[in-house]
Amino acid sequence: ELKVEQNPLFLSMQEGKNYTIYCNYSTTSDRLYWYRQDPGKSLESLFVLLSNGAVKQEGRLMASLDTKARLSTLHITAAVHDLSATYFCAVDAGRTSGSRLTFGEGTQLTVNP
Amino acid sequence: DTGVSQNPRHKITKRGQNVTFRCDPISEHNRLYWYRQTLGQGPEFLTYFQNEAQLEKSRLLSDRFSAERPKGSFSTLEIQRTEQGDSAMYLCASSSYGQGSRGYGYTFGSGTRLTVV
Repeated sequence: ELKVEQNPLFLSMQEGKNYTIYCNYSTTSDRLYWYRQDPGKSLESLFVLLSNGAVKQEGRLMASLDTKARLSTLHITAAVHDLSATYFCAVDAGRTSGSRLTFGEGTQLTVNP
Repeated sequence: DTGVSQNPRHKITKRGQNVTFRCDPISEHNRLYWYRQTLGQGPEFLTYFQNEAQLEKSRLLSDRFSAERPKGSFSTLEIQRTEQGDSAMYLCASSSYGQGSRGYGYTFGSGTRLTVV
């Protein structure tokens, strides 16, 4: 059974600081996704990572994928308050898991002024 | 296309009642997924359809839950004899799969928040 683990689960940081959220998964994956969720809202797609070594950046967020280590990271640069939300990684293991997403527990990020 | 649409947005029901939720996916997407999310947790997979065929059901989907996608377009999720433990956000997502599929993304709807009292 595919397992996806994120850490940390809770992250409180000051504006202007940098930090990294880690996502480990237990089996071979076809694709890895990062989502953002605001309280009471649905999931907003941030990144889709399709291959080993993939790196994608949007604004202050950068995601990378190491399929050999079964690890993805979401790096936050110079955090601002608007980034406060819960961030989920999700793995699509393709044929291994029936081609649907398995989510991590989420990282609740709070950016303080 | 306005994305994945879910109705209702909120539902409050008494324990023991039946409820039904509807999901309208992106029209060109052939796959439709149902997830459940409880407070403070990540979404958990319930079931998915490719066109009208239900291809997989999670062990989480007890016999009180049933999902249909009769014409391969919209889908319904029914919960019979609701229990307080069914209180959650029910999320629907759609994707395009197979030859000629251009994208890899899953698009999520806004969800239906169920409260069982």
